[in-house]
Amino acid sequence: NAGVTQTPKFQVLKTGQSMTLQCAQDMNHEYMSWYRQDPGMGLRLIHYSVGAGITDQGEVPNGYNVSRSTTEDFPLRLLSAAPSQTSVYFCASRAQGANPSGELFFGEGSRLTVL
Amino acid sequence: KQEVTQIPAALSVPEGENLVLNCSFTDSAIYNLQWFRQDPGKGLTSLLLIQSSQREQTSGRLNASLDKSSGRSTLYIAASQPGDSATYLCAVSKYGNKLVFGAGTILRVKS
Repeated sequence: NAGVTQTPKFQVLKTGQSMTLQCAQDMNHEYMSWYRQDPGMGLRLIHYSVGAGITDQGEVPNGYNVSRSTTEDFPLRLLSAAPSQTSVYFCASRAQGANPSGELFFGEGSRLTVL
Repeated sequence: KQEVTQIPAALSVPEGENLVLNCSFTDSAIYNLQWFRQDPGKGLTSLLLIQSSQREQTSGRLNASLDKSSGRSTLYIAASQPGDSATYLCAVSKYGNKLVFGAGTILRVKS
């Protein structure tokens, strides 16, 4: 029973490098999202998707790109990493349908350090 | 812009005590409110979800209330146990797709 799987769990980048954080879910959830968690600030929404081919911006989208080519996968791309993007990143998903109020399932996080 | 505040930021109680965690939000036009638990180094686990039309939800020793008009929610934990030690976060959603989180309350239950 995998749920929401994030890879890698840990990553260290140098400023300017690019990378992709992977997120996959096996619950056939239409809705997927990415959050970042910083000390003392709670979680902030980066991007989200309500289905394959549909993405939208959250509260802090700058510096991040997403795409949703399949229901299962929702990768988060950092094109040119900056130290301000050092954070813990969480992917979350839930069923969408006509009632977007169901339980949100989270992955275990990806800890990113940008030097 | 919606802002969510959680008080206290940290709480330490002896085992067996009943306790209340508080969450307040600035925009009362919410779709729902959720309480989550986060263990160190782990993701978040949903505890309770309250729709905007509801006043409370219960699950085992947990009870969450919602007063939308005053912008407040409380999470009540009965007969606390050391296993309840974690960070508790509340989050509100205006349209269902964008959650705004509080910074969390770090709870420690001493045995």
